[in-house]
Amino acid sequence: QQPVQSPQAVILREGEDAVINCSSSKALYSVHWYRQKHGEAPVFLMILLKGGEQKGHDKISASFNEKKQQSSLYLTASQLSYSGTYFCGLGSNDYKLSFGAGTTVTVRA
Amino acid sequence: GAVVSQHPSWVICKSGTSVKIECRSLDFQATTMFWYRQFPKQSLMLMATSNEGSKATYEQGVEKDKFLINHASLTLSTLTVTSAHPEDSSFYICSASPTGFQETQYFGPGTRLLVL
Repeated sequence: QQPVQSPQAVILREGEDAVINCSSSKALYSVHWYRQKHGEAPVFLMILLKGGEQKGHDKISASFNEKKQQSSLYLTASQLSYSGTYFCGLGSNDYKLSFGAGTTVTVRA
Repeated sequence: GAVVSQHPSWVICKSGTSVKIECRSLDFQATTMFWYRQFPKQSLMLMATSNEGSKATYEQGVEKDKFLINHASLTLSTLTVTSAHPEDSSFYICSASPTGFQETQYFGPGTRLLVL
């Protein structure tokens, strides 16, 4: 079952922050975050494997709330390079990923 | 590290022909590779899971006789779209999971297929 991502789109000015949420109706084994630029393949950002885990990559971080069956991706002090579509992928016990519909982030100067 | 390549990146073919797409993990071994399809402005839809040395497992609604998958080695999986039709036009992306780290998938650059 496909996870639900929100918001669908967000427009930011450089330096602003944003939060992208990803929720599931099923129990989560793992949460994967990717960013895809137009016409390119998704680029792996990070994976969270257990509840309560938080990770960061540069000024992009994520949290995994196992009880609420949701994960959030935090874009802090956004840069122009953060523009793209962000997908969360929910992992199952057979290593398959089910992707959300994506959140399009546009960062303007 | 963790580089996945796909070939070709673009292909245009006539209706009725078959097209083969290769997916290679360049600097790691991948027991498992995945094939996705993505339509414009939509999410990635898993088509099939490819395991080295065994038959691929297909997602519901994906015709296994139309989308032939072969995972010949720990670094190569191929997807053949047989008797392609215009509705098969799409962006096909593979991903590979490093052996022993199967939770993580690294994506190839994708192959854009246009069937005329």
